[in-house]
Amino acid sequence: SQKIEQNSEALNIQEGKTATLTCNYTNYSPAYLQWYRQDPGRGPVFLLLIRENEKEKRKERLKVTFDTTLKQSLFHITASQPADSATYLCALPTSGTYKYIFGTGTRLKVLA
Amino acid sequence: EAGVVQSPRYKIIEKKQPVAFWCNPISGHNTLYWYRQNLGQGPELLIRYENEEAVDDSQLPKDRFSAERLKGVDSTLKIQPAELGDSAVYLCASSLSLAGEETQYFGPGTRLLVL
Repeated sequence: SQKIEQNSEALNIQEGKTATLTCNYTNYSPAYLQWYRQDPGRGPVFLLLIRENEKEKRKERLKVTFDTTLKQSLFHITASQPADSATYLCALPTSGTYKYIFGTGTRLKVLA
Repeated sequence: EAGVVQSPRYKIIEKKQPVAFWCNPISGHNTLYWYRQNLGQGPELLIRYENEEAVDDSQLPKDRFSAERLKGVDSTLKIQPAELGDSAVYLCASSLSLAGEETQYFGPGTRLLVL
């Protein structure tokens, strides 16, 4: 069955450093992949979408890569700030449908 | 522009009681989703609507869960009777389906506690 894996352990980094989060998937080949941010007590907020023919996508301090051979996406936050502390979720559409599977999310904490 | 509105934000009920959640999507969004999110997990799809039609309800426990989206706008999700395992956050999301890619806009969720 289709599966997404994100590091369930929290990631703590120092302010100003680059945070790198990983999303691995198995048993399918999505046409695109999305990253969301979720703060406690709130719904997820869309950040970036990257298509299978795009190797890299950037938005301000965010960068996403998509390696369809490795079946992996990396999400980077450069010059991280305490305000970046949140849980980050990756999501993929299952083949031929609009049914999205979400990863469990990785909790990021940026230390001042 | 107003976002996705959900109510109530919190609900505490005893098991075997009924409960209902309401969602008003972003104006003009034809697609509406209901998700359930357990603590420490990602959202799991319960049902997806395109306009008034439920196009994917394979994950909806139909013995106790029901949903409707009358007139293709707002939607209600109901649980009857609730069980202890239904305690979770119920998220509603909406999107405008264009070019085969859907950016989903989520509401704040309804946190349900079944005692």
